[in-house]
Amino acid sequence: KAGVTQTPRYLIKTRGQQVTLSCSPISGHRSVSWYQQTPGQGLQFLFEYFSETQRNKGNFPGRFSGRQFSNSRSEMNVSTLELGDSALYLCASSLGDRTLAKNIQYFGAGTRLSVL
Amino acid sequence: KNEVEQSPQNLTAQEGEFITINCSYSVGISALHWLQQHPGGGIVSLFMLSSGKKKHGRLIATINIQEKHSSLHITASHPRDSAVYICAVSKGAQKLVFGQGTRLTINP
Repeated sequence: KAGVTQTPRYLIKTRGQQVTLSCSPISGHRSVSWYQQTPGQGLQFLFEYFSETQRNKGNFPGRFSGRQFSNSRSEMNVSTLELGDSALYLCASSLGDRTLAKNIQYFGAGTRLSVL
Repeated sequence: KNEVEQSPQNLTAQEGEFITINCSYSVGISALHWLQQHPGGGIVSLFMLSSGKKKHGRLIATINIQEKHSSLHITASHPRDSAVYICAVSKGAQKLVFGQGTRLTINP
């Protein structure tokens, strides 16, 4: 069974540009969560999508957005990039069943974004 | 104050030593997770627990809900255990709140 796949693995952008990151979850997983990891702030939750709907959202500005497609693949978009957006962006997939509040999340390898 | 606190932040030990990493949290949770992150970034979920104790190979995780505290133990540590260990709590279905991580180095 294939794991969580994130593309691209590395990305270099300049300030003001926008970027789209992609995440393909494990087959059968309907929930995709996105996280940002920086040396200063550590890991922080961005948002979670389940069945094409945003179900949870962290405390990030509106420049950070996402979506999920009918095949559960998810994309994350960051507009008007700032230097501080340089980070490792991780996605994780899980079954996402609300009644099973203890779903294990399986992480992708991440996309390392550098903003110059 | 962070909702999830880990200690120590850095830990260096000799191969074979018994390792303990601690995690305290201040919020209501549905589950606590222990994660392992190797250089390069990939994260592996080691344990997810809401009560008691779980064991997988040389790794043991315990949680005390009343004291809002969890520990991760590694027995007979090995250099390949060198990694960052992260404690995270679930607040609601999928939203994780993370500790700052413990960087573990095991010397041969």
